[in-house]
Formats: sequence, structure tokens, C-alpha cells
Amino acid sequence: DVKVTQSSRYLVKRTGEKVFLECVQDMDHENMFWYRQDPGLGLRLIYFSYDVKMKEKGDIPEGYSVSREKKERFSLILESASTNQTSMYLCASSLGTGGKPHEQYFGPGTRLTVT
Amino acid sequence: GENVEQHPSTLSVQEGDSAVIKCTYSDSASNYFPWYKQELGKGPQLIIDIRSNVGEKKDQRIAVTLNKTAKHFSLHITETQPEDSAVYFCAARYNKLIFGAGTRLAVHP
Repeated sequence: DVKVTQSSRYLVKRTGEKVFLECVQDMDHENMFWYRQDPGLGLRLIYFSYDVKMKEKGDIPEGYSVSREKKERFSLILESASTNQTSMYLCASSLGTGGKPHEQYFGPGTRLTVT
Repeated sequence: GENVEQHPSTLSVQEGDSAVIKCTYSDSASNYFPWYKQELGKGPQLIIDIRSNVGEKKDQRIAVTLNKTAKHFSLHITETQPEDSAVYFCAARYNKLIFGAGTRLAVHP
């Protein structure tokens, strides 16, 4: 089974702190994604990566950055956390073969609270 | 821009009844339509998907229909069971997945 793990289930940070959310997948997937999930808004794409060292902005990248130094690991960084970044953060991965859509496998999520 | 609308936002049914969730999408170039189920405390998990060259797909008690002309697709769950209670998300993809807002389904014994 594909496994996507996220470093923390719950995280509480203060406004202005730099926050790192880590995601690791064990299936050698090329694609990795970071979403945030908010009630009534569904899942919104923050950043994604199709390969090591490669990153693309999603729909709501402002206030976030990412890092993909190794194929299995994709990190989301909140440079200076703000209260409006309180949310559930979901990481996902998928195979990446020539643009054909493949199932995305999700981690359990990190519920981040910024106070 | 790309948009996916999902209805209803909440759905309550009795065990054994059917449940239908509907989505509409805006980008006519979308070619892939997955449905995800999210149980409490877990990440979303794919339950069924359909591609644009197919009108209907069925897997046991769940089925998905696609009307490309109207840009509608729907999830049908028959003979609902309490373990079907979850939040369901539809999505449409052209160059990336766009998710609907989700439907919270409650199946009462």
C-alpha cells in the first residue's frame, strides 16, 4: 500500500514563527502536492512538484514556499505564520507519467493552529 | 477560472436508501473526474473515477455518471450503510485537480 506520512497531526504556532510541515511518501511517486482544507472551500492547491528540485505554484501560494530536495520528501514552509493560515494541511503524491492523471494518495493531514 | 461546484453540502439518509451527490465544472477541457471519500481523522481516499471518454462507471454500490455536454457529473451510492458516512469530494482535472467544497453524508441506522 502507498503510504504518505506527515510529520505532525496537530501543531500550534505563534504569529510570525517560521513553520515547517514535512511530508514523506514511500512509493517512488514523481508528483507531490500540498493542499489546505477549509470548511466550505474544499481542498485548495498551494504548491506542487513534478520532480526533485522542481516546484510549481498552485492556486493559493501566497505566504508559503516549498522544498523538494529528495524524491520522497516534500516540505511546506510558512515563512511567517499568520492567523489566516490556521487550517488543515494535506499532502498528496501520485505517479507522473506523461501528463496522464493518476490517483492522488493523501496523508492524514496536519491541523495547524496559529495564535 | 476553473471552478467545481458541489451539491448538496450536507446529506442525511436512512440506511438502505440511495444517496446522490452532484457536481458541475466550468472548464470544458477537463478530462478526469475522481471522487474522494474522507473519513474522520483521515486524508481523502479515491473511491471511483471516470474519464471523459466514458459516460458511466460502476463499482459495486457506487456509480458515477458524466454528462460532458452539460458539464455535470454525479456520484450515486445505493443501499447505503452507516460506514458510508463521511465527507465526499468531487474533482475535475485539466492540468491540475480542482476540488468541490465537499458533501457531508450521514447514514442513519
